[in-house]
Amino acid sequence: DSGVTQTPKHLITATGQRVTLRCSPRSGDLSVYWYQQSLDQGLQFLIQYYNGEERAKGNILERFSAQQFPDLHSELNLSSLELGDSALYFCASSVDGHPYGYTFGSGTRLTVV
Amino acid sequence: GQNIDQPTEMTATEGAIVQINCTYQTSGFNGLFWYQQHAGEAPTFLSYNVLDGLEEKGRFSSFLSRSKGYSYLLLKELQMKDSASYLCAVRSYSGGGADGLTFGKGTHLIIQP
Repeated sequence: DSGVTQTPKHLITATGQRVTLRCSPRSGDLSVYWYQQSLDQGLQFLIQYYNGEERAKGNILERFSAQQFPDLHSELNLSSLELGDSALYFCASSVDGHPYGYTFGSGTRLTVV
Repeated sequence: GQNIDQPTEMTATEGAIVQINCTYQTSGFNGLFWYQQHAGEAPTFLSYNVLDGLEEKGRFSSFLSRSKGYSYLLLKELQMKDSASYLCAVRSYSGGGADGLTFGKGTHLIIQP
């Protein structure tokens, strides 16, 4: 157990729907990162939050949004889902925003049908 | 933008040594990371280089040449459990606090008896 908790582990939903993925960072970590991993693209950085504030944005689609709550857990919202959104979504956390201390969660496998 | 290249797949023999190369192009380089990822699982941190040279950690070593935009991961005394994908990732400091790593697509390493 890495200490980073992601729920749900698996999600199957239909095109056009909206889902929310949840991440609880490791105790003491202030920074949360979201990544998408598909077979042909590898791990793609989506967005980073640090102590409740958005800190960096990567290749995140406008249909996707995220937030980090006062208790430091984070949610990634995916809307108007398309078949191509099917992927593994990983959350990682670190204490000070430096990826040296990255710890990844076990991921959420999203399947859009 | 950033570009990271690594071989798609490599095969090696149990007990042998294998070197996985990674080349990158980026501005504001601020560190190179290697991660191991077993199929369907979360990436786990292996090594971090920010200065030129070799970092050794048990059976794993990582080398960096910033002037050449080049790194390699060296795995010694290969074991069957080393069969996994090895991800090269670069951190670039944009000055805007962007700490998300850019990952290569990974090298799938197959260990044969």
